[in-house]
Amino acid sequence: GAGVSQSPSNKVTEKGKDVELRCDPISGHTALYWYRQSLGQGLEFLIYFQGNSAPDKSGLPSDRFSAERTGGSVSTLTIQRTQQEDSAVYLCASSRQSSSGNTIYFGEGSWLTVV
Amino acid sequence: AQTVTQSQPEMSVQEAETVTLSCTYDTSESDYYLFWYKQPPSRQMILVIRQEAYKQQNATENRFSVNFQKAAKSFSLKISDSQLGDAAMYFCAYRRTNAGNMLTFGGGTRLMVKP
Repeated sequence: GAGVSQSPSNKVTEKGKDVELRCDPISGHTALYWYRQSLGQGLEFLIYFQGNSAPDKSGLPSDRFSAERTGGSVSTLTIQRTQQEDSAVYLCASSRQSSSGNTIYFGEGSWLTVV
Repeated sequence: AQTVTQSQPEMSVQEAETVTLSCTYDTSESDYYLFWYKQPPSRQMILVIRQEAYKQQNATENRFSVNFQKAAKSFSLKISDSQLGDAAMYFCAYRRTNAGNMLTFGGGTRLMVKP
């Protein structure tokens, strides 16, 4: 597609349930990032994938959070046993390479509400 | 660790006037990139302008320009001839040049444009 695509756009889930958020990066982009944006806050880095290298998981807030990237393209962020503090917008981004000079393009995010 | 600080939670400007958004950052690196992103209500982060730290010349993109003061670790954004469509959240971001280079964001500044 033309841009980074994320689904679902909005998700309401009950506390304790698992959720999966999907990201389709721009075709040909090898680097993929997940960020979390809580209400009125800046963006918090979660995880970063670059090609076939081991992902940088240093931003994941707890072991309830995990992410996969299959075939070097689509990524899924999974949150297990959701808590109310997980409510946020989850933004995915991609870039052509991991080089800092390359522009990072963002999707429109998945708005997660845990009730 | 790198930190990015935006000291203005909200700013207001009259249409057609000029406004400056502040950003400071903390790093021990000598080479890096700085960015300003715009986030309208659609939630999608849009790159406004970028600056390479090794370049002394301030970046300019049409009505948007930056004042990059490397020694002071300051990176302000100037919007000239403000338009209603400029109303959004603006985020300053930092990115190292070497590996593991995710973006580190400031807390954001909400810009309101008055007609």
